[in-house]
Amino acid sequence: GAVVSQHPSWVICKSGTSVKIECRSLDFQATTMFWYRQFPKQSLMLMATSNEGSKATYEQGVEKDKFLINHASLTLSTLTVTSAHPEDSSFYICSARDLGGDSEKLFFGSGTQLSVL
Amino acid sequence: GQNIDQPTEMTATEGAIVQINCTYQTSGFNGLFWYQQHAGEAPTFLSYNVLDGLEEKGRFSSFLSRSKGYSYLLLKELQMKDSASYLCAAMDSNYQLIWGAGTKLIIKP
Repeated sequence: GAVVSQHPSWVICKSGTSVKIECRSLDFQATTMFWYRQFPKQSLMLMATSNEGSKATYEQGVEKDKFLINHASLTLSTLTVTSAHPEDSSFYICSARDLGGDSEKLFFGSGTQLSVL
Repeated sequence: GQNIDQPTEMTATEGAIVQINCTYQTSGFNGLFWYQQHAGEAPTFLSYNVLDGLEEKGRFSSFLSRSKGYSYLLLKELQMKDSASYLCAAMDSNYQLIWGAGTKLIIKP
């Protein structure tokens, strides 16, 4: 089945540094990818929709200058957390939409646990 | 506004059947998803319903009633490994997923 690869799975960084998270669709082309974050004991919250070849669409309350999203190809989207602060520590998950087959499906990456010291 | 409601927690016995309900309100509708999530892992896709009715896939079945804004996930022959959170998510007219908070399912021997 379709697989979405997300790296890194775990990262610790110092406050003020930037962290890049990659999300790749391995066996299908994804014109649309989604980025989520999850705080403990809460459900996933959509941060932004990443569209190949165009600017990402950010959800209300998400700082686009802080969470830079690039979707340069049909199989890769990246999320860069710029000037990270401790409050950015969270679990970040990407998903890619597969339009092939009988019905539309979303497939998720394995997630990235970000800890900002 | 848009919202998804599902029970916070449910308990069931190994080998039994459990039904997890979900009601939704969205701006437009492009389908209802159910995901399973074990602690510390990303959610995994279980089912997708866009038409009314029951979709059966092995031990898991999902039902949708668009007129009622209602779905349920039915798990049969429960196994201990089914202990997880089950997330209901509705896709709105902009293809955005509106997520429920998840139902924690506890399976007892």
